[in-house]
Amino acid sequence: AQSVTQPDIHITVSEGASLELRCNYSYGATPYLFWYVQSPGQGLQLLLKYFSGDTLVQGIKGFEAEFKRSQSSFNLRKPSVHWSDAAEYFCAVGAHQAGTALIFGKGTTLSVSS
Amino acid sequence: EPEVTQTPSHQVTQMGQEVILRCVPISNHLYFYWYRQILGQKVEFLVSFYNNEISEKSEIFDDQFSVERPDGSNFTLKIRSTKLEDSAMYFCASKGQPASTDTQYFGPGTRLTVL
Repeated sequence: AQSVTQPDIHITVSEGASLELRCNYSYGATPYLFWYVQSPGQGLQLLLKYFSGDTLVQGIKGFEAEFKRSQSSFNLRKPSVHWSDAAEYFCAVGAHQAGTALIFGKGTTLSVSS
Repeated sequence: EPEVTQTPSHQVTQMGQEVILRCVPISNHLYFYWYRQILGQKVEFLVSFYNNEISEKSEIFDDQFSVERPDGSNFTLKIRSTKLEDSAMYFCASKGQPASTDTQYFGPGTRLTVL
């Protein structure tokens, strides 16, 4: 069955430090992969997505993610975290059929310390 | 920038009561979704809706749930007889194109509390 695992429930990073949020997926074929962010009181906002091609994907707000098929991973990275990045981050996988639903991980809460 | 809106932001109800959660998808979108997130758990898919009918639903979406697009702008989720375990954050999402590569845009959610 398809699934997404985000091993880290909560991460604290110092402002200006680098960040990596882990995501592992289980899927029978090449997946479509997404990272969403949710700030308090806000909806889920798409950071970036991967479908094919270059395995390093650039997103908004300075985020990037790398698809590694051999490790079934799609980790999110940012070289220098800002206090405004504090939020909850969700990794999701989608199937190839049109209109199908996303399968989400449990999310990782990011706190940024000064 | 167009966005998905949801009302109310927080709904408190008694067990056994009916609730209707409302969503206004982005205006030219054709695919609509409901997801929910029980506190501390994953965001889970409930149902997708296209061309005025359900296109896919999860095992969570039992006979207590129904969806409707009553007019050209609203998309609603009804829970007929709420249970304590229905307490969750409910997210609506919409998508413009059928391709799986197209982005689903999410609303801010409605927090449902069943007492």
